[in-house]
Amino acid sequence: KNEVEQSPQNLTAQEGEFITINCSYSVGISALHWLQQHPGGGIVSLFMLSSGKKKHGRLIATINIQEKHSSLHITASHPRDSAVYICAVVTGGSQGNLIFGKGTKLSVKP
Amino acid sequence: EPEVTQTPSHQVTQMGQEVILRCVPISNHLYFYWYRQILGQKVEFLVSFYNNEISEKSEIFDDQFSVERPDGSNFTLKIRSTKLEDSAMYFCASSMRGLYNSPLHFGNGTRLTVT
Repeated sequence: KNEVEQSPQNLTAQEGEFITINCSYSVGISALHWLQQHPGGGIVSLFMLSSGKKKHGRLIATINIQEKHSSLHITASHPRDSAVYICAVVTGGSQGNLIFGKGTKLSVKP
Repeated sequence: EPEVTQTPSHQVTQMGQEVILRCVPISNHLYFYWYRQILGQKVEFLVSFYNNEISEKSEIFDDQFSVERPDGSNFTLKIRSTKLEDSAMYFCASSMRGLYNSPLHFGNGTRLTVT
């Protein structure tokens, strides 16, 4: 059983569309990270959150700890947003470790 | 903006050989990590390092793996006797205040191919 589930696995959108990527997890967590993996493989941190909502430019991340669910929203999507978006939860240990979801592959068409 | 650098970008080695993957974390960061991603699969945690010692490690990180911070700037991952299944992208990452309190900064990865 996967401890971190993302949906959808693949998403194709038209430029300008509002996009939502969901992440559900089954373990107790202290924090959650949203990451972006570029087609070339590099990984960039988008958000780290433990409660509520964060916004950065066109990106918004929310988390509901009680419901074990987080969402990543992209407003006014653009082809350059095409990437794999990964949800990773922080669990266990004094320093914690990350459990990663399989990622959501987003393709934004012009 | 400071960044995490990894070398080499691509390493090809024969089964049974030792490899050392190198990373230079961001200079004022205190927490260091290695992750791997087998082609087509999700990213997996290997090990975390803080205060000059391993703080967490996964089941993957068995006796053939070791990490070292030899000189206060480099952070290395050694695989003693590589196996075919070690072929993967290996990512180094660092953070200032740990996973609970600060974002992760990733290097661009080293693609390891074991033949």
